[in-house]
Amino acid sequence: DVKVTQSSRYLVKRTGEKVFLECVQDMDHENMFWYRQDPGLGLRLIYFSYDVKMKEKGDIPEGYSVSREKKERFSLILESASTNQTSMYLCASSKKFATNEKLFFGSGTQLSVL
Amino acid sequence: AQSVTQPDIHITVSEGASLELRCNYSYGATPYLFWYVQSPGQGLQLLLKYFSGDTLVQGIKGFEAEFKRSQSSFNLRKPSVHWSDAAEYFCAVVPRNTGFQKLVFGTGTRLLVSP
Repeated sequence: DVKVTQSSRYLVKRTGEKVFLECVQDMDHENMFWYRQDPGLGLRLIYFSYDVKMKEKGDIPEGYSVSREKKERFSLILESASTNQTSMYLCASSKKFATNEKLFFGSGTQLSVL
Repeated sequence: AQSVTQPDIHITVSEGASLELRCNYSYGATPYLFWYVQSPGQGLQLLLKYFSGDTLVQGIKGFEAEFKRSQSSFNLRKPSVHWSDAAEYFCAVVPRNTGFQKLVFGTGTRLLVSP
């Protein structure tokens, strides 16, 4: 079975801290995604990557950056955490959509910024 | 602006009744289209997808969806709802102008099933 593993299930940080959320997939997927999920707003795409060292902004990239140094790992970085970044963060991966459309999700990281 | 819209935030349906959840998109060319379901406390599960071809697609759990190009819609349907269908449903698109690599979700519709 494909596994998308997010390093933390729950995380509590203070305002202004630099926060790293890690995501690792074990199926050699080209695409990786970071979403945040908030009630009433659905899943909003923060960043995605379709190859190593490649990254593209999603719909809400402000306040975030990403890193993809290896194919299996996609990191989300909050440069200076703020309370409005309290949310559930979901990582996902897939093969290129033209060949295999299935998106695999991690179990999520619930981040609270105090 | 390019977007995917789910106009209904909540829908309540009686058990055994039919269901239709709406999804509209605004992209220049027809994107890839998906429906996902998220049960309480669970991850997202793919129900069905449309890439091309037959505009009526069958999915898992008895769901189907119909692509209508003229209406830029991809509505999800089920003839008879079961209590276990109570969940949040997300329409999603992969736009063509991103090389088919970006997946964008709608805001979701929460389905409540009454006895």
